[in-house]
Amino acid sequence: GAGVSQSPSNKVTEKGKDVELRCDPISGHTALYWYRQSLGQGLEFLIYFQGNSAPDKSGLPSDRFSAERTGGSVSTLTIQRTQQEDSAVYLCASSYGPGADEKLFFGSGTQLSVL
Amino acid sequence: AQTVTQSQPEMSVQEAETVTLSCTYDTSESDYYLFWYKQPPSRQMILVIRQEAYKQQNATENRFSVNFQKAAKSFSLKISDSQLGDAAMYFCAYRSASGSEKLVFGKGTKLTVNP
Repeated sequence: GAGVSQSPSNKVTEKGKDVELRCDPISGHTALYWYRQSLGQGLEFLIYFQGNSAPDKSGLPSDRFSAERTGGSVSTLTIQRTQQEDSAVYLCASSYGPGADEKLFFGSGTQLSVL
Repeated sequence: AQTVTQSQPEMSVQEAETVTLSCTYDTSESDYYLFWYKQPPSRQMILVIRQEAYKQQNATENRFSVNFQKAAKSFSLKISDSQLGDAAMYFCAYRSASGSEKLVFGKGTKLTVNP
């Protein structure tokens, strides 16, 4: 596609429910990143994929959070038993490869609201 | 751990004027990268400018330039000839050059451009 696509754009869920957030990176991009942006805060790193592997998942806040990537393309971030503090914008980014020389392209994010 | 601080939650500028956004960071590393990202209401993060710490020359991209003071750990963004389309959240970010792929972001500065 022309850019990084994230779905859904907005998600409202009830506390305790599971949610899945999807990221479709730019074709050919091997590196994929998930960030979380809470209200009034900067972006917080969650996880980094190179291909289908996640060399750095140090930012996942708890074992309720998991992510996978299949076929070196689409990634899904899953939050189990959602809590109100999980409410945030979840942003995905991709790049051709790892390294600071590679420009990151961000999606428009998923706004998650946990009631 | 590295931290990034943006001390100005909000700034405003008149159209065609110049504005400077401040950013300081804390690190014990000698080699790293610094970035400014723009986030419009669409939520999509857009790279504005990038600076490698080993380069003494300040980066410039059209109307955007930085003042990088390595000893002071300061990295300010100057926007010249401000335009209405420059109105957005601006985030300063740090990335280690030592293999970590994650960006560390400040909390952002909301820039308003007055006509």
